[in-house]
Amino acid sequence: DTAVSQTPKYLVTQMGNDKSIKCEQNLGHDTMYWYKQDSKKFLKIMFSYNNKELIINETVPNRFSPKSPDKAHLNLHINSLELGDSAVYFCASSPPTSGMSTQYFGPGTRLTVL
Amino acid sequence: AQSVTQLDSQVPVFEEAPVELRCNYSSSVSVYLFWYVQYPNQGLQLLLKYLSGSTLVESINGFEAEFNKSQTSFHLRKPSVHISDTAEYFCAVSVGTYKYIFGTGTRLKVLA
Repeated sequence: DTAVSQTPKYLVTQMGNDKSIKCEQNLGHDTMYWYKQDSKKFLKIMFSYNNKELIINETVPNRFSPKSPDKAHLNLHINSLELGDSAVYFCASSPPTSGMSTQYFGPGTRLTVL
Repeated sequence: AQSVTQLDSQVPVFEEAPVELRCNYSSSVSVYLFWYVQYPNQGLQLLLKYLSGSTLVESINGFEAEFNKSQTSFHLRKPSVHISDTAEYFCAVSVGTYKYIFGTGTRLKVLA
């Protein structure tokens, strides 16, 4: 059973389009995250959610809108895509944390904006 | 502000040789430190973590890391690497309850 899954795995689209990435975890975790990994492998947190509530928004443009319909899902919708949005996006989840918890990462979604 | 520095972007090493991947952090509070590994085209997986207690932590596949508070370091070591250890390694520190900061990664390439 896949613990953290993301769809799609690859996404190629034109500038200006709107796209969504879905994430689901079957680990029963309360906390979920979105990360962006750029072409140099730099991994930066975008959002943290706990029990469906937004906890952290790391100065991400408001073209990015996460939505958590329930604790097991955290989707990422991106409006008006730009070239700079090209990256690999990782979803992750963790148990109640206090900063000590292991994060479980999905396989990533490689977004290419043309 | 908390930060993580991985000075080596790439480390080539021959199979069965020892390796050390360096990680330094800056934090004004107690820290929890992590090493994650990312194999090609995959997500990150936890390798090991330091929360408290013994400053030497080990993973199941032979890696170990030592927390050094005075040097603010958490270097990762393995006495003998295998081809299968070729991957990207990320050091991370937790910042508060819901945020983790990752280093820029070190690409370990094991040569036959």
